[in-house]
Amino acid sequence: AQSVTQPDIHITVSEGASLELRCNYSYGATPYLFWYVQSPGQGLQLLLKYFSGDTLVQGIKGFEAEFKRSQSSFNLRKPSVHWSDAAEYFCAVGAKGYSTLTFGKGTMLLVSP
Amino acid sequence: NAGVTQTPKFQVLKTGQSMTLQCAQDMNHNSMYWYRQDPGMGLRLIYYSASEGTTDKGEVPNGYNVSRLNKREFSLRLESAAPSQTSVYFCASSEVGGLQYFGPGTRLLVL
Repeated sequence: AQSVTQPDIHITVSEGASLELRCNYSYGATPYLFWYVQSPGQGLQLLLKYFSGDTLVQGIKGFEAEFKRSQSSFNLRKPSVHWSDAAEYFCAVGAKGYSTLTFGKGTMLLVSP
Repeated sequence: NAGVTQTPKFQVLKTGQSMTLQCAQDMNHNSMYWYRQDPGMGLRLIYYSASEGTTDKGEVPNGYNVSRLNKREFSLRLESAAPSQTSVYFCASSEVGGLQYFGPGTRLLVL
């Protein structure tokens, strides 16, 4: 069975500092990987996805993620965090031709002034 | 396009009451999903429908039933609500192998 681990429940970053959110997955074949963001009281918005090809994926709002097969990781990064980035971030994994996704438990990002 | 819509936005139930959460999508997607979100638990799949006419259990199906009414609509029913079903419920849709698009959620409180 596939699984996703987000080791950090909360992370606090100063505005303007860089950000890295960790995601580790367990899956037997090549996974499809996603990062979603959820602002308070809102639904989930897709930030970026990895299906195949270049392992460094660019997303919306200046986010990027790198797929590292050897480490079973798909960490999310942003070079300079803005206060509006404060939200909860979810990593998810699916199979090729998938019907369902498995989500991590989320990381809450707090941005300090 | 409205995307994925859910009704109601909020609902308060008493233990033992029943209700149906409605979901509709206008993207002509084949697959639809129901998730619940609880603090510290992420999103957990309740049921999904890979295509019209089919439904399958997800990770946490107990206490729920679903109906894929047509290609656009996928409803979630709680026959006898319990406090453990207090949660935020999200509907999503996708093409098979495609991106999942989420609705705004339904916040349910069971007293």
